[in-house]
Amino acid sequence: GENVEQHPSTLSVQEGDSAVIKCTYSDSASNYFPWYKQELGKRPQLIIDIRSNVGEKKDQRIAVTLNKTAKHFSLHITETQPEDSAVYFCAASIGGNNRLAFGKGNQVVVIP
Amino acid sequence: DAGVIQSPRHEVTEMGQEVTLRCKLISGHNSLFWYRQTMMRGLELLIYFNNNVPIDDSGMPEDRFSAKMPNASFSTLKIQPSEPRDSAVYFCASSWTPTNTGELFFGEGSRLTVL
Repeated sequence: GENVEQHPSTLSVQEGDSAVIKCTYSDSASNYFPWYKQELGKRPQLIIDIRSNVGEKKDQRIAVTLNKTAKHFSLHITETQPEDSAVYFCAASIGGNNRLAFGKGNQVVVIP
Repeated sequence: DAGVIQSPRHEVTEMGQEVTLRCKLISGHNSLFWYRQTMMRGLELLIYFNNNVPIDDSGMPEDRFSAKMPNASFSTLKIQPSEPRDSAVYFCASSWTPTNTGELFFGEGSRLTVL
């Protein structure tokens, strides 16, 4: 089955700096790659996603890049703010169907 | 729309008791997912329904777990008998997936503690 791994598990950054989280997946048939943000005690919420026919997507301060050959995709957060502190989960579709396999999450801490 | 609604939000029970978690989908969504979240294992997919039909239950830990979708807007996840290792946050999520995989909308989760 699909195996999704995230690195690093914890990331601390100074406010205003950039944060990058990398995710690797194993299933070459995966074609959808979302990132979810989960604040403490809250539900995961989609922040950005990318499909396999696109290499990069940007939405204000966040961007996602996809390298299908290497089977990895990354989340980039620029000009980090304290409210960016959360756990970020990457996911990959299982084959070409509607299910998602999630990574174990990255704890991002933005230091004011 | 109020989003995906789960109940109860918190449940504390004793080992051996039956637990029933409930989920109401977003109106119009056709896919329903039950996930379990723990520190050790992260978000694990337990079961997935599409148009009320269970498509993949390979993530259900064992026969003590069962899930139903009696209609297009409602689902239950039952654990009988419950064990301490079942303690986790259980999330229900729904999506509209006519063709491609789409955004999952998660409920607030049900935090289960089995003593």
